Amino acid sequence: QPVLTQPTSLSASPGASARLTCTLRSGINLDSCRIFWYQQKPESPPRYLLSYYSDSSNHQGSGVPSRFSGSKDASSNAGILVISGLQSEDEADYYCMIWHSGASNWVFGGGTKLTVL
Amino acid sequence: EVRLVESGGALVQPGGSLRLSCEASGFTFSSYEMNWVRQAPGKGLEWVSYMSSSGSPRYYADSVKGRFTISRDNAKNSLYLQMNSLRAEDTAVYYCAREDQRGSLDAFDIWGQGTMVTVSS
Repeated sequence: QPVLTQPTSLSASPGASARLTCTLRSGINLDSCRIFWYQQKPESPPRYLLSYYSDSSNHQGSGVPSRFSGSKDASSNAGILVISGLQSEDEADYYCMIWHSGASNWVFGGGTKLTVL
Repeated sequence: EVRLVESGGALVQPGGSLRLSCEASGFTFSSYEMNWVRQAPGKGLEWVSYMSSSGSPRYYADSVKGRFTISRDNAKNSLYLQMNSLRAEDTAVYYCAREDQRGSLDAFDIWGQGTMVTVSS
């Protein structure tokens, strides 16, 4: 089972909200993880969006609009990225990342392709 | 302008070696941890290696451990990745990424444009 699991794809309409999930493998403590989110558009390097640890410890990347926000869902052991007021420019691949302390590794999720239509 | 520029990507035969470079500018390179991340064609991101600002510790993904070596020259504002015993599955765009432990709490906040490594006979 992968360390981080993301849905392969997600579609949403312009103006709506998109909720992207990043599920941690069973046994990995969500409470102790800072979840990082990156956006990647075709033929471009990834762009750092934000990180979320708790409501009092989160960080927004430089120039990233406030309509991008992070949270956690303890019931599903998942990190969440919410994009509100979807725009066509939000169409991209989105990756989550954590520091897997047990392996001394950074780990990326498989990515979610977000389509805005 | 804060910038990372990778170079050294090429077509190489299986079993061959290659050294990638990443030149930093616009910030105090010696103060930052650095990483290599790769992306196979049409696939997702895969973290490859980490190096602290001082040079130790260094960490590697299991897929490259024992074959790849990360290093840096703070005097030259440069990060390197020595890749030996290359395999077809190492074919990817290789990105260097700055890790900001202070300002953005360990985020990979700056990325280069990437350099393509193709392993094929």
